[in-house]
Amino acid sequence: KNEVEQSPQNLTAQEGEFITINCSYSVGISALHWLQQHPGGGIVSLFMLSSGKKKHGRLIATINIQEKHSSLHITASHPRDSAVYICAVIPYQGAQKLVFGQGTRLTINP
Amino acid sequence: GAGVSQTPSNKVTEKGKYVELRCDPISGHTALYWYRQSLGQGPEFLIYFQGTGAADDSGLPNDRFFAVRPEGSVSTLKIQRTERGDSAVYLCASSLMLGADTQYFGPGTRLTVL
Repeated sequence: KNEVEQSPQNLTAQEGEFITINCSYSVGISALHWLQQHPGGGIVSLFMLSSGKKKHGRLIATINIQEKHSSLHITASHPRDSAVYICAVIPYQGAQKLVFGQGTRLTINP
Repeated sequence: GAGVSQTPSNKVTEKGKYVELRCDPISGHTALYWYRQSLGQGPEFLIYFQGTGAADDSGLPNDRFFAVRPEGSVSTLKIQRTERGDSAVYLCASSLMLGADTQYFGPGTRLTVL
């Protein structure tokens, strides 16, 4: 079982819909990242959070440390939001490296 | 300022050959990370540097893989005797400090071993 699990693996929605992508992890962490990867490979960091909630434009990320769970929400989704969204954690134990989920492929149709 | 750059963007090589992949981090970033992403998968950690030293190389799959960062800036990932299973996108990222800090990713190098 992976240390970081995302759901769903694939998500298709219509423009304007509210989107939720979930991330569960099994280890203690110092921080969690949400990343966006567009076709062609470029990865952009959207959020880094260790507690509570962060908002940037139409994107909202929340984390519940006790439940080891985070969600990424997109309001008023748009076709340009189509990308792979990746959850990654920095575990407490030892290393400072990111441990990644497998990603969620989001497609927003016009 | 300039982001993280990686060269080449694409590399096609034959099984058994040696390849070098280069990463130029953001100026002033002390931490540098290498990841590998196979098709349809999330990235996997390979190695990270704090300054010139490899702080953790536990993700390198075997001794054919080696990375250096001799002056604490540019890093080179070296793969000897390449195998078809090495085909992947190799991603580099840098951050201002080690640990829970935003990592800035390069565009990656797509390596294809024929």
